[in-house]
Amino acid sequence: QQQVKQSPQSLIVQKGGISIINCAYENTAFDYFPWYQQFPGKGPALLIAIRPDVSEKKEGRFTISFNKSAKQFSLHIMDSQPGDSATYFCAASLPGEGGGADGLTFGKGTHLIIQP
Amino acid sequence: GAVVSQHPSRVICKSGTSVKIECRSLDFQATTMFWYRQFPKKSLMLMATSNEGSKATYEQGVEKDKFLINHASLTLSTLTVTSAHPEDSSFYICSARESGAEAFFGQGTRLTVV
Repeated sequence: QQQVKQSPQSLIVQKGGISIINCAYENTAFDYFPWYQQFPGKGPALLIAIRPDVSEKKEGRFTISFNKSAKQFSLHIMDSQPGDSATYFCAASLPGEGGGADGLTFGKGTHLIIQP
Repeated sequence: GAVVSQHPSRVICKSGTSVKIECRSLDFQATTMFWYRQFPKKSLMLMATSNEGSKATYEQGVEKDKFLINHASLTLSTLTVTSAHPEDSSFYICSARESGAEAFFGQGTRLTVV
């Protein structure tokens, strides 16, 4: 049973447009929701993360929207650039020791292409 | 962000041999480290969680005798793939965190078993 469902699987956006990727989770005990960017042959890099006590978080061109009642969260990339072309993963984790996060459950990923 | 270094970045080994992958936290003390596996064009799957000085906790379906994890210090964890076979070929990625903090990922190790 997949605990974090991500969509779309692939996405093509024109340069300057808004890229939107959605995730839904099932386990209401999850309390940490990060988004990662991964380039081929590299490890994932944390973009932005949110906890359930806020509905939105913005860092530069990246925004997470979080809907606790719907168990959904999304990543918005504003003014998308060709350099943003990568695979994006949403993830979720249970509370870890000391207030940190436990191991992550990842979505299946979205292959984003920004066309010049 | 904090730096996590993995070594080697690529390794090719013969079927039946064992290979060790290192994961180091360079500028913080990693009380917890995680090991993930990623197949081509697929998502990351958590294999195990290790806390410094304790035995690793393996996810369901991961063979602990196949994938030996050692977290003997606050800056180093190792994953040893024992008696490797071609089906073990994959991208292995570690992440590490301090107590109460977010985790950072290493750059990954591409293992090819021939």
